[in-house]
Amino acid sequence: RKEVEQDPGPFNVPEGATVAFNCTYSNSASQSFFWYRQDCRKEPKLLMSVYSSGNEDGRFTAQLNRASQYISLLIRDSKLSDSATYLCVVNNEGGSYIPTFGRGTSLIVHP
Amino acid sequence: DTAVSQTPKYLVTQMGNDKSIKCEQNLGHDTMYWYKQDSKKFLKIMFSYNNKELIINETVPNRFSPKSPDKAHLNLHINSLELGDSAVYFCASSQDNRVKSYGYTFGSGTRLTVV
Repeated sequence: RKEVEQDPGPFNVPEGATVAFNCTYSNSASQSFFWYRQDCRKEPKLLMSVYSSGNEDGRFTAQLNRASQYISLLIRDSKLSDSATYLCVVNNEGGSYIPTFGRGTSLIVHP
Repeated sequence: DTAVSQTPKYLVTQMGNDKSIKCEQNLGHDTMYWYKQDSKKFLKIMFSYNNKELIINETVPNRFSPKSPDKAHLNLHINSLELGDSAVYFCASSQDNRVKSYGYTFGSGTRLTVV
């Protein structure tokens, strides 16, 4: 089983839709979690950290489910500018805090 | 003012050559990283330095040698380049190696093409 798994998509949704992505991780000792956004031919940029209690930033909501070992990202009222690849990142305990990136989920928002 | 800057942005070179990529961060972060993103878009960590000390070295061929002269700089030297080294190389930094809340800040990437 891969350490961090994401559905590559693409998720093709109309403007205004609500869309959700999940990311599963295999290491139960994982300690910190993030969602990154990567536009085509650009660097990944931090979208939001994921806290145990769940957190919201405008149209974006991130949640962590430790029991089932996944994190989720919900985007409400999708905009054309939300089109990008969304990467989840999991940091594992073990001395070195090795960050592991998922392969990313591609989102296409169309008019 | 660029937070993490890496040069060059593009690098096209022949097999067998030796090349270097430079990275600098002005965020005052303690930890810096090199990542490789291949054609399938998988982002994999190669190295990490914390305050100039190597802390992560992930099964990378020893043709790749990182150097950190100070905590604001992390350079990557690649010897005897091979076709399979073609990828985008991202430098990144984080406040410390625990990365609890603030995540990583990435440079804009160096697109390496080996011909």
